[in-house]
Amino acid sequence: NAGVTQTPKFRVLKTGQSMTLLCAQDMNHEYMYWYRQDPGMGLRLIHYSVGEGTTAKGEVPDGYNVSRLKKQNFLLGLESAAPSQTSVYFCASSESHNEQFFGPGTRLTVL
Amino acid sequence: DQQVKQNSPSLSVQEGRISILNCDYTNSMFDYFLWYKKYPAEGPTFLISISSIKDKNEDGRFTVFLNKSAKHLSLHIVPSQPGDSAVYFCAARSSGAGSYQLTFGKGTKLSVIP
Repeated sequence: NAGVTQTPKFRVLKTGQSMTLLCAQDMNHEYMYWYRQDPGMGLRLIHYSVGEGTTAKGEVPDGYNVSRLKKQNFLLGLESAAPSQTSVYFCASSESHNEQFFGPGTRLTVL
Repeated sequence: DQQVKQNSPSLSVQEGRISILNCDYTNSMFDYFLWYKKYPAEGPTFLISISSIKDKNEDGRFTVFLNKSAKHLSLHIVPSQPGDSAVYFCAARSSGAGSYQLTFGKGTKLSVIP
């Protein structure tokens, strides 16, 4: 039981490049989330999903897109990366509205 | 507009003593509160939670107190251990629309000194 896994762990992009972050969970959770964490800040919600085939915007959705084609996977896409998107990205999943289980994070640097 | 505030960026405590981490919130619609612990280069892990219908929840060395009238909660760790050194995030959730979203504070870095 791996819990929540994220791929890749690290990535460096140039401004304007695109990439997709993959999140996978093996707990059969309905809800999945993408957060970003910046220095001196708490976690801020980017997008979330309440079930396969559904997505919704969180607090800071601009510049990101998401897809939830399979229940166990939640993808976060950056179509044209900007330096302001340099951050640590965390994926999480939950069975209910309460406790969320987090992945180990992806450290992204945009030059 | 920060709805969940952790006003102490850091806290140092001697091993064996009590650690008290504080959290204030402004949104009166919040009805469920959680504490997460985060080690460097790892994701946050759930520690303890409390519903607004309670004023205290205890789990081993960890106790969370909620004062709804003051919109304040605190996490007590007794006794503190070096392995407790981490960043602690307070989070809150409201029922109803948007209830899937957790709002996090900025975190408090706890250092337990052996």
